[in-house]
Amino acid sequence: EPEVTQTPSHQVTQMGQEVILRCVPISNHLYFYWYRQILGQKVEFLVSFYNNEISEKSEIFDDQFSVERPDGSNFTLKIRSTKLEDSAMYFCATRGGGGGNQPQHFGDGTRLSIL
Amino acid sequence: AQSVAQPEDQVNVAEGNPLTVKCTYSVSGNPYLFWYVQYPNRGLQFLLKYITGDNLVKGSYGFEAEFNKSQTSFHLKKPSALVSDSALYFCAVRDRGGATNKLIFGTGTLLAVQP
Repeated sequence: EPEVTQTPSHQVTQMGQEVILRCVPISNHLYFYWYRQILGQKVEFLVSFYNNEISEKSEIFDDQFSVERPDGSNFTLKIRSTKLEDSAMYFCATRGGGGGNQPQHFGDGTRLSIL
Repeated sequence: AQSVAQPEDQVNVAEGNPLTVKCTYSVSGNPYLFWYVQYPNRGLQFLLKYITGDNLVKGSYGFEAEFNKSQTSFHLKKPSALVSDSALYFCAVRDRGGATNKLIFGTGTLLAVQP
């Protein structure tokens, strides 16, 4: 079964540094999402991306965050200047067309640790 | 605003016994409901969804869920639990208010199946 692939699996970064998290979506999927899960808490929506632009973002997704799909395959999440509270699991999810009742498929996540 | 509640942090059940993981929701309009499972160090795997029609929905690995509109519930069930079912289970509702069908998750329920 096709999978969403995320790299790296674990990223350790000093506070204030930039990080880029990468996701390879399932090939025919059109809708892309980032979620995060702070340890012990629920999964929270960050941003959705469709047709090469942001469709919707949460209040968590401030000016320090950005997303892009530079080469038509990788879908990236960049955090410009990381803070301690950015430490979390970050999940990429993708969905095919056919309406909002189609399930989102998640990658295994990137564990981001800010020191 | 849409929301999902999972009232139990943990459910313990003996192998071979039936299991239920509870979920209630609050939405405006008709809900699109999902169950996902998360194994350690993995992403969320789609189990099943309710969109419309039959109130009893069957999904992967022998799981099923019952949609109850009057009780606004969508409990996950399995007739006979396996030790390998031990994992973190998330109920989610599709946000019909936004543009991109993002998911709103409950806080998760840890299922522990004892041999």
